[in-house]
Amino acid sequence: AQSVTQLGSHVSVSEGALVLLRCNYSSSVPPYLFWYVQYPNQGLQLLLKYTTGATLVKGINGFEAEFKKSETSFHLTKPSAHMSDAAEYFCAVSDGFNKFYFGSGTKLNVKP
Amino acid sequence: DTAVSQTPKYLVTQMGNDKSIKCEQNLGHDTMYWYKQDSKKFLKIMFSYNNKELIINETVPNRFSPKSPDKAHLNLHINSLELGDSAVYFCASSQPGLAGEDEQFFGPGTRLTVL
Repeated sequence: AQSVTQLGSHVSVSEGALVLLRCNYSSSVPPYLFWYVQYPNQGLQLLLKYTTGATLVKGINGFEAEFKKSETSFHLTKPSAHMSDAAEYFCAVSDGFNKFYFGSGTKLNVKP
Repeated sequence: DTAVSQTPKYLVTQMGNDKSIKCEQNLGHDTMYWYKQDSKKFLKIMFSYNNKELIINETVPNRFSPKSPDKAHLNLHINSLELGDSAVYFCASSQPGLAGEDEQFFGPGTRLTVL
């Protein structure tokens, strides 16, 4: 069975600081991993995904994530936070059969 | 053009009523989903259809009945609404790849409030 754990339901950083949002997964099959962002009152939007190949994945808005199989992690980072990055972030794993499992989300707050 | 659209955006209704939410996607995807997001933002899959055929049916009360008239539409009908049904319901679609690496495209959500 697949599951996703996001450590930290709330993360607060200063503008310009490093953003690190943590995601650990469990999967009985090679995982397909995703990060989504949800802005207030909107649907989820794909930031980036890992399927196969290079373990460092670059996404939109300057975000990237690294797949570490040995640590079963897929942490999301951004070198310098911007006010517009304030949102809810969801990590997800796909079982490869149309089913996604989402983490409980991390709310990112960016302070001026 | 909106890829995945839902109507209505907001729905306020009394307990015991029956209501429907509609979803349409213009991406040509074969698979559509309904998710429920609770007040703590937890997102849980409810149903999934592939080419009008139900393929995922999670443990959802049978008051919830999805219907897919064609692969571009997936509607959700809810009978005898209860307070606990209050949530944001998201529709999503995807085009399954050979290895299941497809991403999902989400609609804007329907905020249901049951009074």
